[in-house]
Amino acid sequence: GAGVSQSPSNKVTEKGKDVELRCDPISGHTALYWYRQSLGQGLEFLIYFQGNSAPDKSGLPSDRFSAERTGGSVSTLTIQRTQQEDSAVYLCASSLGIFVGYTFGSGTRLTVV
Amino acid sequence: DQQVKQNSPSLSVQEGRISILNCDYTNSMFDYFLWYKKYPAEGPTFLISISSIKDKNEDGRFTVFLNKSAKHLSLHIVPSQPGDSAVYFCAAGNTNAGKSTFGDGTTLTVKP
Repeated sequence: GAGVSQSPSNKVTEKGKDVELRCDPISGHTALYWYRQSLGQGLEFLIYFQGNSAPDKSGLPSDRFSAERTGGSVSTLTIQRTQQEDSAVYLCASSLGIFVGYTFGSGTRLTVV
Repeated sequence: DQQVKQNSPSLSVQEGRISILNCDYTNSMFDYFLWYKKYPAEGPTFLISISSIKDKNEDGRFTVFLNKSAKHLSLHIVPSQPGDSAVYFCAAGNTNAGKSTFGDGTTLTVKP
């Protein structure tokens, strides 16, 4: 596609439920990143994929968070047993290289009530 | 420990004047640096980057300066336009590490 697509754009869920966030990167981009931005905060790194493997998962906040990428394309970020502190905008980005920067999607705004 | 810091949460300038956004970093392993712009309800958009082998990179109205000894970089916007009003994020990384570390952002307001 022309850009990075994320779905859903908004998600309201009850505390304790599981959620799945989807990211469709730009075709051909081998690197894929997940970040989140809590209210008034900067971008917090979660996980990075190169192809289907994740060389860096260091940013995942707890074992309730997991992510996968299939076919070197679509990625899903799953949050189990959601908590109120998980409320944030979850941003996905993809890139071909480093100095060209990332192309970000518009994000998924997750609200846990 | 925050490795990329943008100490000014906000900056206000008059249209036509220069905007200078600052960023400091602590990790000496960072070898590339980038600036992104973000409008509300959108993802950040890549603006300009610089590698650690350079001290300046220019693209139109945007210039990034890198001072490695001070671990400091800045983004200059000349002349500033009202459409430049947005949140600006500084990011840094190491070419072997794959990910970028972002600052908390500076909100720029350009007044007509």
